[in-house]
Parts: sequence; structure tokens; C-alpha cells
Amino acid sequence: DVKVTQSSRYLVKRTGEKVFLECVQDMDHENMFWYRQDPGLGLRLIYFSYDVKMKEKGDIPEGYSVSREKKERFSLILESASTNQTSMYLCASSGTVTNEKLFFGSGTQLSVL
Amino acid sequence: RKEVEQDPGPFNVPEGATVAFNCTYSNSASQSFFWYRQDCRKEPKLLMSVYSSGNEDGRFTAQLNRASQYISLLIRDSKLSDSATYLCAVNRGNTPLVFGKGTRLSVIA
Repeated sequence: DVKVTQSSRYLVKRTGEKVFLECVQDMDHENMFWYRQDPGLGLRLIYFSYDVKMKEKGDIPEGYSVSREKKERFSLILESASTNQTSMYLCASSGTVTNEKLFFGSGTQLSVL
Repeated sequence: RKEVEQDPGPFNVPEGATVAFNCTYSNSASQSFFWYRQDCRKEPKLLMSVYSSGNEDGRFTAQLNRASQYISLLIRDSKLSDSATYLCAVNRGNTPLVFGKGTRLSVIA
């Protein structure tokens, strides 16, 4: 079965720190995504990538950047963490053009103090 | 209007009950429709795709109504293990999925 691994389950950072969230998938999927999930707001797309070195902004890219240097790895970067970036971050991958079956990692709960 | 809307619930139903959720979408260009299930503190997982002709998987039935722009999920003979949040998701071809905020279901013994 597909495995999407996120590097940390819980992370606590201070305001202004640079934060890296790592995501690795083992099924040679072309497509990878970063979502954040907040109570009452649901899943919101931050960035996605359909190929190595390719990235596209999602609905809420402000304050984030991403890196896709290798097919299996998609990193989310918070350049200067702020308290409103406290959230559950979910990485996902998909092997199909229509992206119907997303495989999610188990998530990283990030707290910015 | 949000692109995908769901009643957040919670829906509290007794074991054995039948429960149905709806999800409306605003973009008539939406092509593909899905239901995901998310257990508490876990990641979402695909429950089923929703086809134009409707589809069934055991106790679960999904339907699409393009004219009224909504999809539905019907769960028959609810089990305690069905307690979860159900997310609908839509996309327009090869665009990323857009998710609803989810409907919380609690099945009570």
C-alpha cells in the first residue's frame, strides 16, 4: 500500500522561526499536495506539485513556500512562522491525473508560540 | 458561496439507523466527486467515488445530482465504527481536489 510519511507528528516552534515540514511518498506518484486543516475551516490547499521542480499555488499560499527537488519528496517551508500558522498540516500524493485517490500522510500538528 | 458546502452536523444516530448527508457544489464545471472518511485525529481516506449513475458499496450508497449540483451519501444499518467525519471532495478534471468542511457522524449504542 502507498505510504506517505511526514517527518514529525507534533512540532512546536517560536514566532519568526523558519520551519521545514517534510513529506515523502514511496509510490512514485507524480502529484503531491500540502493542505492545512483547521476546526471550522476544513482542508485548505496551500501548494501542489505535478512534477519535480514544479510548484503551483493553492488557495492559501501566503507565508509558505515549497520545494520539490526529488519526485518522492515535497517540503513545505514556513519562512517566518506566525501564530496564525498553528494548524494540522497534511501532505498527500496521487498517481492519477484526476487526483481522485489522494493518499494522505498522518499529519503534523504545528504549534507556533 | 463556497465551492463545496456540507452541513457540519453532528448527526447523532442510533445503531442500525439509516443516515444521509448531502454536499452541494457551486462550480458547474466540476467533473469528479468523492467521499472521504476521516476518523478522529487521523488522516482522510477515500471512502468512495461518486458516479453519475450512482454507486453502492455494501451499506454505503453515493449519488450525484448534476441538475441541482449536489452529491449524497447514504449509510444504511449504521455501526458504531461508522462514527467519523465525512468529507466530500470535487475537482474539475486534473485540478486539485476541493474539500468540504466535513459532516460529523456519531453512531450511538
